[in-house]
Amino acid sequence: GENVEQHPSTLSVQEGDSAVIKCTYSDSASNYFPWYKQELGKRPQLIIDIRSNVGEKKDQRIAVTLNKTAKHFSLHITETQPEDSAVYFCAAPSGGSYIPTFGRGTSLIVHP
Amino acid sequence: ETGVTQTPRHLVMGMTNKKSLKCEQHLGHNAMYWYKQSAKKPLELMFVYNFKEQTENNSVPSRFSPECPNSSHLFLHLHTLQPEDSALYLCASSQDLSRGNYGYTFGSGTRLTVV
Repeated sequence: GENVEQHPSTLSVQEGDSAVIKCTYSDSASNYFPWYKQELGKRPQLIIDIRSNVGEKKDQRIAVTLNKTAKHFSLHITETQPEDSAVYFCAAPSGGSYIPTFGRGTSLIVHP
Repeated sequence: ETGVTQTPRHLVMGMTNKKSLKCEQHLGHNAMYWYKQSAKKPLELMFVYNFKEQTENNSVPSRFSPECPNSSHLFLHLHTLQPEDSALYLCASSQDLSRGNYGYTFGSGTRLTVV
């Protein structure tokens, strides 16, 4: 099955700084990489995803980069705001089943 | 609401009770999932249904019993649970399993406490 490692487990930044969260995966057949944001007491929400035919995707202040050779992908948040504080999960499906394995989550804290 | 509705939002049950969690989606999705989310643990996949057929049972104890009467509804029947089963139970849906990879839409979850 897929093995997904996510780092760091906790990330504390000042408002306005950038934040980067990285995930590594093991199944070279994986071709879809989503990121979810879960605010305290709320459901996880898909915030951005990338497919293996591109190396980078941006949506306003968030971006995801993918390095298929090294088998890792990262979430980048620029100009962080307090409302970015949440737990962020990456996921990578194994090529055979399309069911993702989730990372353990990164708790991002943005200090005003 | 996101399109995936879970009821109840909170549930407290004794170890000898029987209860059911309900999930409903009107997104036209054909795959539905149950996940367990415990503190300081990754999301744990429990069950997967694709076009009403169960495709995955991730070594879940038999005190959890899923039911999928149609592509829009998913249930999780609970009986004789243990305190360690206390967690947030999340339902999710996606297009389906055969069309490649698509993101999930999660419900808001049921916070279950077993006493």
